[in-house]
Amino acid sequence: QKEVEQNSGPLSVPEGAIASLNCTYSDRGSQSFFWYRQYSGKSPELIMSIYSNGDKEDGRFTAQLNKASQYVSLLIRDSQPSDSATYLCALEGAGGFKTIFGAGTRLFVKA
Amino acid sequence: DAGVTQSPTHLIKTRGQQVTLRCSPKSGHDTVSWYQQALGQGPQFIFQYYEEEERQRGNFPDRFSGHQFPNYSSELNVNALLLGDSALYLCASSSQGGAGETQYFGPGTRLLVL
Repeated sequence: QKEVEQNSGPLSVPEGAIASLNCTYSDRGSQSFFWYRQYSGKSPELIMSIYSNGDKEDGRFTAQLNKASQYVSLLIRDSQPSDSATYLCALEGAGGFKTIFGAGTRLFVKA
Repeated sequence: DAGVTQSPTHLIKTRGQQVTLRCSPKSGHDTVSWYQQALGQGPQFIFQYYEEEERQRGNFPDRFSGHQFPNYSSELNVNALLLGDSALYLCASSSQGGAGETQYFGPGTRLLVL
């Protein structure tokens, strides 16, 4: 079982819709979780971090964490074509200094 | 305020050669982590340097080594290159690099091994 699992997609949504990206993880000891966005040919950039169960909102983005189910999600409201990218789910690995990434979900927002 | 910089941007090597990649952290950051990202995959943690010491290492062979200088910049060295080492190598900097610290990624070095 991979440490961080994501559906590779592509996930295609129309402009203005809600995009829902999901991620499961295997290490119950993980405490810090992250969503990164990576445009084609560019490096990852942090969108959201979440540490506690529940929802965390930042603008059009909402991260949701359920540690009991070992599940993290990212909702993007009012999706824009500029949101088209690969979204990487990540968590703090054992030892506390490394970040473990999933393979990413490709999102396409159709104008 | 300069962000994370990496050099070179692209590199072509042949099998068996050695390569050195360089990274300068964001101003005010003292911790550098290196990642390897193969095509279609997420970044894989290679190691992290803090106070000029390797603090944690991922699942990479000893052919991968690094160094951090007193000015916090860092180098990644890969010996005896294999075709499978072809990837985007990312450097990320942070402050103290602990759990939950925000990492800022550089633009990466794209390495092609022929």
